[in-house]
Amino acid sequence: EIVLTQSPGTLSLSPGERATLSCRASQSVGSIYLAWYQQKPGQAPRLLIYGASSRATGIPDRFSGSGSGTDFTLTISRLEPEDFAVFYCQQYGSSPPTFGQGTKLEIK
Amino acid sequence: EVQLVESGGGLVQPGGSLRLSCAASGFTFSSYWMHWVRQAPVKGLVWVSRINSDGSSTMYADSVKGRFTISRDNAKSTLYLQMNSLRAEDTAVYYCVRDPAPANWFDPWGQGTLVTVSS
Repeated sequence: EIVLTQSPGTLSLSPGERATLSCRASQSVGSIYLAWYQQKPGQAPRLLIYGASSRATGIPDRFSGSGSGTDFTLTISRLEPEDFAVFYCQQYGSSPPTFGQGTKLEIK
Repeated sequence: EVQLVESGGGLVQPGGSLRLSCAASGFTFSSYWMHWVRQAPVKGLVWVSRINSDGSSTMYADSVKGRFTISRDNAKSTLYLQMNSLRAEDTAVYYCVRDPAPANWFDPWGQGTLVTVSS
């Protein structure tokens, strides 16, 4: 199965700053078979990005995804207080679908 | 509004069984693949199982194959997960999730139901 490695493990930033989260796959997942989710404490994950760069319904345009093959990036252009959470990438180009271990985005 | 509401979690002894249910509303349930994804306490997300829209095709993670069975009742808009021979490592919050594509990505997620396997 494809292993996804997210970096950094924890990212400490202030509101208004730009966040860049990385997801690297152990083998190619194709150009578009990558999703990103946000999970806040005590809540279920929420889909942010699918197809590597398509925003899900209702997701603000400060969230953007990019990449292909084995290297993908989630960028939050200007952090809002409600953005701080754990973020997971997930590949669906190969079965079984697999998730990264998560990046915790915390307030500095 | 699309809603997924899980139930059936609880405390069970190792070797025991449990059946989870997920009641769906706000969309045409019979048109969508559905999945179960789990999350052990303070851990990451792990895909468990998938069923296609009419229930004729299923897939399982190796860790649960032969012990768990996914099924659905489209007339009741309900997804199930029958879990047998439970182990301590099955302890997790179990999420019911819809597959919009179908392509094995997940939106939305239910609120989850906690399964604890312990003596």
